[in-house]
Amino acid sequence: GQNIDQPTEMTATEGAIVQINCTYQTSGFNGLFWYQQHAGEAPTFLSYNVLDGLEEKGRFSSFLSRSKGYSYLLLKELQMKDSASYLCAVRIGAGSYQLTFGKGTKLSVIP
Amino acid sequence: SQTIHQWPATLVQPVGSPLSLECTVEGTSNPNLYWYRQAAGRGLQLLFYSVGIGQISSEVPQNLSASRPQDRQFILSSKKLLLSDSGFYLCASTRVPEAFFGQGTRLTVV
Repeated sequence: GQNIDQPTEMTATEGAIVQINCTYQTSGFNGLFWYQQHAGEAPTFLSYNVLDGLEEKGRFSSFLSRSKGYSYLLLKELQMKDSASYLCAVRIGAGSYQLTFGKGTKLSVIP
Repeated sequence: SQTIHQWPATLVQPVGSPLSLECTVEGTSNPNLYWYRQAAGRGLQLLFYSVGIGQISSEVPQNLSASRPQDRQFILSSKKLLLSDSGFYLCASTRVPEAFFGQGTRLTVV
């Protein structure tokens, strides 16, 4: 079966750095995604890792270790607008591009 | 880039009534299309996916069904809604590595 774990909630201070972890156990792995979802809205794509290492995109970075089944999303210089849920998703299988999502981590940024 | 149109945005339906949610895609041809449901406090659950016209794969047993009558049209249906069908329904299309989501339909079954 598929299992993706991430913390339910986190709180961080404006201007700080926060790391959101994700661990996965899946049958087949073909990439890991991070999405941001504001309340009541559709998820928006943040990052994609298929090889081990760190991918940096502005204030957001994502790390993957396939041997450990582990990823994290790093958010720097937190802004109030970063308050949202962050979804970790694993792509299984090269053909259908199916994504299996974790339950999401609700991040609250406080002044 | 792709645009996913999904409607309606909100829907309140009584138990036992039928359902039809429609999703259309612009900006691509022959997309892989998906229906996800997000229940309160739970993650996104894949319900159906389609790799082409008339091709539907179901991921979970339920009283919902899906159809793909045209290349860029994906429909989610039910003949009789249950209370447990309440949730936030999202249509998605993929262009690796990204998945593009529609704005979602919030369904409340009363």
